Amino acid sequence: NAGVTQTPKFRVLKTGQSMTLLCAQDMNHEYMYWYRQDPGMGLRLIHYSVGEGTTAKGEVPDGYNVSRLKKQNFLLGLESAAPSQTSVYFCASSYTEGLTDTQYFGPGTRLTVL
Amino acid sequence: AQSVTQLDSQVPVFEEAPVELRCNYSSSVSVYLFWYVQYPNQGLQLLLKYLSGSTLVKGINGFEAEFNKSQTSFHLRKPSVHISDTAEYFCAVSNTGGFKTIFGAGTRLFVKA
Repeated sequence: NAGVTQTPKFRVLKTGQSMTLLCAQDMNHEYMYWYRQDPGMGLRLIHYSVGEGTTAKGEVPDGYNVSRLKKQNFLLGLESAAPSQTSVYFCASSYTEGLTDTQYFGPGTRLTVL
Repeated sequence: AQSVTQLDSQVPVFEEAPVELRCNYSSSVSVYLFWYVQYPNQGLQLLLKYLSGSTLVKGINGFEAEFNKSQTSFHLRKPSVHISDTAEYFCAVSNTGGFKTIFGAGTRLFVKA
């Protein structure tokens, strides 16, 4: 099992450019998430999905869009990148173990917006 | 609303010394608690979790944590650290569903020779 993979690992954008980050998981998990990690702020949830074809907003959704057309993939899009979106982005997937979920994380994508 | 506070942003410690990373939470309902570790340039890995039962939880790499409901704490401990334990550690709390998981700001553990 590859677990959770993310593409690309690094990216530099200019302000106003667009891009899509791809997350893939091979564990047949229903739930998937996109987080951003900024120094001193931990992880903040951008969007999440509870199943194929469904998405929902997290804590910091503005400026991002997502799609979950296939159960194993969760895409994060930036339509018009801004310097404030410079961050490390993590994808995660989870399964429910009785009481709550256990999340599995990808290696991250480091994005710089100039 | 839930929240998580990691009381130390950085913890330097010498190799083979004991360490405690502190985590306090607030929640009006029953909680489930997690510690994750992030090694440099990697994603987060689950160290341990408390769901129910025994308040002392043992995880990977010799770490353990104790759930204290009266003090709303879930501190992480290791009796003897190694250089390889240098990483950032995140405490997290959820009630039902991963989309309700709240992460702390992280504690950076530096283990010195």
